[in-house]
Amino acid sequence: DTGVSQNPRHKITKRGQNVTFRCDPISEHNRLYWYRQTLGQGPEFLTYFQNEAQLEKSRLLSDRFSAERPKGSFSTLEIQRTEQGDSAMYLCASSLDPTENTEAFFGQGTRLTVV
Amino acid sequence: GDSVTQMEGPVTLSEEAFLTINCTYTATGYPSLFWYVQYPGEGLQLLLKATKADDKGSNKGFEATYRKETTSFHLEKGSVQVSDSAVYFCALSEGNTGFQKLVFGTGTRLLVSP
Repeated sequence: DTGVSQNPRHKITKRGQNVTFRCDPISEHNRLYWYRQTLGQGPEFLTYFQNEAQLEKSRLLSDRFSAERPKGSFSTLEIQRTEQGDSAMYLCASSLDPTENTEAFFGQGTRLTVV
Repeated sequence: GDSVTQMEGPVTLSEEAFLTINCTYTATGYPSLFWYVQYPGEGLQLLLKATKADDKGSNKGFEATYRKETTSFHLEKGSVQVSDSAVYFCALSEGNTGFQKLVFGTGTRLLVSP
């Protein structure tokens, strides 16, 4: 396993279009997290899954944002009707069930540019 | 809510200089504390962590001590190398709800020159 994989690495879209990003976690990891990182800022938590269950989505930025993990493996993050303010790096991370020694591993991210 | 404040960069040092990057936090409960590093073109990597007060995390010559009395987790290294040039993020795990929802600082860029 080569770690957390995110696709695409870069996405340029026109304002108003829908975009979908994919995250493939480390295979045995049952936890999956989505973060957003804007320029000059640290990552900001959006949502997370325990297997296929989305256990928190209150931090999703608006109802234009949605995430799924249908079979408890890969996950998708969709943004509908994109706005220029959505331009950011979207990061995915995965981990085992958290204990004192659990580490969350991050992917390289998908950079979204809305023009 | 919980928050992390770290010193603004860039921090510019010559090779073999001593490094300190300050980090303070505000949290309810007893969070775990982390330093992540992001090398150019790569994803975030865990550098070190500490899970309770007075714990010292260390890795690759970097270390940080969890200071509950000053709510701080400053990152130090005795002798930096050019290869340490990266962005460093201080983070905490929010709450005691059993999952790793991380709250990050804004990051500090370190530039090390030969």
